[in-house]
Amino acid sequence: TQLLEQSPQFLSIQEGENLTVYCNSSSVFSSLQWYRQEPGEGPVLLVTVVTGGEVKKLKRLTFQFGDARKDSSLHITAAQPGDTGLYLCAGTTEAAGNKLTFGGGTRVLVKP
Amino acid sequence: ETGVTQTPRHLVMGMTNKKSLKCEQHLGHNAMYWYKQSAKKPLELMFVYSLEERVENNSVPSRFSPECPNSSHLFLHLHTLQPEDSALYLCASSQVLQDTQYFGPGTRLTVL
Repeated sequence: TQLLEQSPQFLSIQEGENLTVYCNSSSVFSSLQWYRQEPGEGPVLLVTVVTGGEVKKLKRLTFQFGDARKDSSLHITAAQPGDTGLYLCAGTTEAAGNKLTFGGGTRVLVKP
Repeated sequence: ETGVTQTPRHLVMGMTNKKSLKCEQHLGHNAMYWYKQSAKKPLELMFVYSLEERVENNSVPSRFSPECPNSSHLFLHLHTLQPEDSALYLCASSQVLQDTQYFGPGTRLTVL
């Protein structure tokens, strides 16, 4: 059983549509990061959230950290083909220190 | 541009070969990490170095041997690997006691 569950595992949408990716856990996280990874490349950090209820916006991307710090969501408005990639959430717990635990990822395909 | 470089980007080796992966970070960080990313599995943490000392070894087989000669460089020495070791090997760095990690582009390893 994964500590961080991401859903859906795969999402295919048309350019211009909106999408939401979820990251859920039964554990409380000190912080949570979202990464995007393109084929053959390493994950690139998009955002870090640390406060329960926090909302961060990065252009068309909106990230939310749950009030209880057990879940997070990533919403993309008017998706573009350049948003295609593997979206990974990763979190740290107080017990684990700096150790990041990754979710299984959501593969997003935005078709032109 | 992540500030973390990895070489080589692609490597094909036989099971009897010995090779090394190299990682270099230009971010002034003092913690470095090796991860393994296989198809359909979450990122797996292999090793953690903090202030040039190994602080974590996640039950990794001895055919993988890390080396951290200074805070900017990290190596992963490989010998007598198995075909199931084929994967994308990712290096990351961070400041000690900070959650956010920055990844390199990875080395795609194929073991024949």
